[in-house]
Amino acid sequence: DGGITQSPKYLFRKEGQNVTLSCEQNLNHDAMYWYRQDPGQGLRLIYYSQIVNDFQKGDIAEGYSVSREKKESFPLTVTSAQKNPTAFYLCASSIGGRGGYTFGSGTRLTVV
Amino acid sequence: AQSVAQPEDQVNVAEGNPLTVKCTYSVSGNPYLFWYVQYPNRGLQFLLKYITGDNLVKGSYGFEAEFNKSQTSFHLKKPSALVSDSALYFCAVPDRSGGSYIPTFGRGTSLIVHP
Repeated sequence: DGGITQSPKYLFRKEGQNVTLSCEQNLNHDAMYWYRQDPGQGLRLIYYSQIVNDFQKGDIAEGYSVSREKKESFPLTVTSAQKNPTAFYLCASSIGGRGGYTFGSGTRLTVV
Repeated sequence: AQSVAQPEDQVNVAEGNPLTVKCTYSVSGNPYLFWYVQYPNRGLQFLLKYITGDNLVKGSYGFEAEFNKSQTSFHLKKPSALVSDSALYFCAVPDRSGGSYIPTFGRGTSLIVHP
């Protein structure tokens, strides 16, 4: 079945470490997105990519980085510059941006 | 910019009663509007969308939404709520940014269905 796979489901990071969250899709979607979800704040856009080898900053890109070397993959790195990284991270994809979005099951990142 | 607003943080309803989760939109041109549901520690699942046509849109799990152009609303409804409908609900609209459409979500409404 087609879908989006996020891994790991739970991730623990020590302060000062970089961590990378994986997002893989087999839907042949061109566009991919990363969101951060905090309680009571809805979904905030971190980065998005409309095509391979191109990506754009979203509303809260500081302290994060991404790459889009393959159509199927859009990994997110949470760097040590992100001061408050504890959150639930969601990856999504779409075929064109207005046709609806498919989400992964999320990664919960906790700083210990 | 296109946007949606969900005026209620939480909606409480008794099982078997009708439910409504509200969403208003601010869109130039013809709106594309979506509803998604999120269960705890899971991703968002698509419920339904409005692009054009009938103002009453039917979706998954018995949900429907009514598009009202004069009130700029797209409220989610279900005739008879189930305890299992308890979840977080998001209204969404694609916002135009440069040459791209970026999904933009409301803050979410927590629906609690009481037995």
